[in-house]
Amino acid sequence: DIQMTQSPSSLSASVGDRVTITCRASQSISSYLNWYQQKPGKAPKLLIYAASSLQSGVPSRFSGSGSGTDFTLTISSLQPEDFATYYCQQSYSTPPTFGQGTRLEIK
Amino acid sequence: EVQLVESGGGLVQPGRSLRLSCAASGFTFDDYAMHWVRQAPGKGLEWVSGISWNSGSIGYADSVKGRFTISRDNAKNSLYLQMNSLRAEDTALYYCAKGTRDGYNHDAFDIWGQGTMVTVSS
Repeated sequence: DIQMTQSPSSLSASVGDRVTITCRASQSISSYLNWYQQKPGKAPKLLIYAASSLQSGVPSRFSGSGSGTDFTLTISSLQPEDFATYYCQQSYSTPPTFGQGTRLEIK
Repeated sequence: EVQLVESGGGLVQPGRSLRLSCAASGFTFDDYAMHWVRQAPGKGLEWVSGISWNSGSIGYADSVKGRFTISRDNAKNSLYLQMNSLRAEDTALYYCAKGTRDGYNHDAFDIWGQGTMVTVSS
């Protein structure tokens, strides 16, 4: 199975900050990388698919980049509703696997 | 409104069985692959199983292979997960998720249900 490693595991930031979360795959996954946001007690929400494509309805302050083994999710200007846990997921091979999550907290 | 509604969770003893259901609405169900993804309490996300639009292609996580069976009924817009020989480590919130493709490979999960809790304990 492909291992996905996110960093950092947790992050404190303030409203208005620019934040970057990193996801690294244990082998090349081309651009088969998706990002999700999960708020407490809620289901995950797809933010970015195919490494850099913004899912419909997702604010443009979210962006994704990368290919191969290294990927990033960037939030350009944090809003109060962005404080949540973020997961990357590879869809290159079966089984699809997720990173361990990055918890984004208010500073 | 696009919606997935899971049901069938509950408390079950180790070794017993449970069948989860997921009712889909608001989209053309038989155009897309469907998946089950679970989340143990306080833990991350784990893909469990996926099924292509026509049930022609199915995949399972190694942790459930041989014990769980995914199926779908396109006439009823429904997805199922038959879970046998349940173990304590199967305790989790089980989400039904819609894929973005007709095949379950190379897929993202763009619509999620609210989840149904399965607790395996004596």
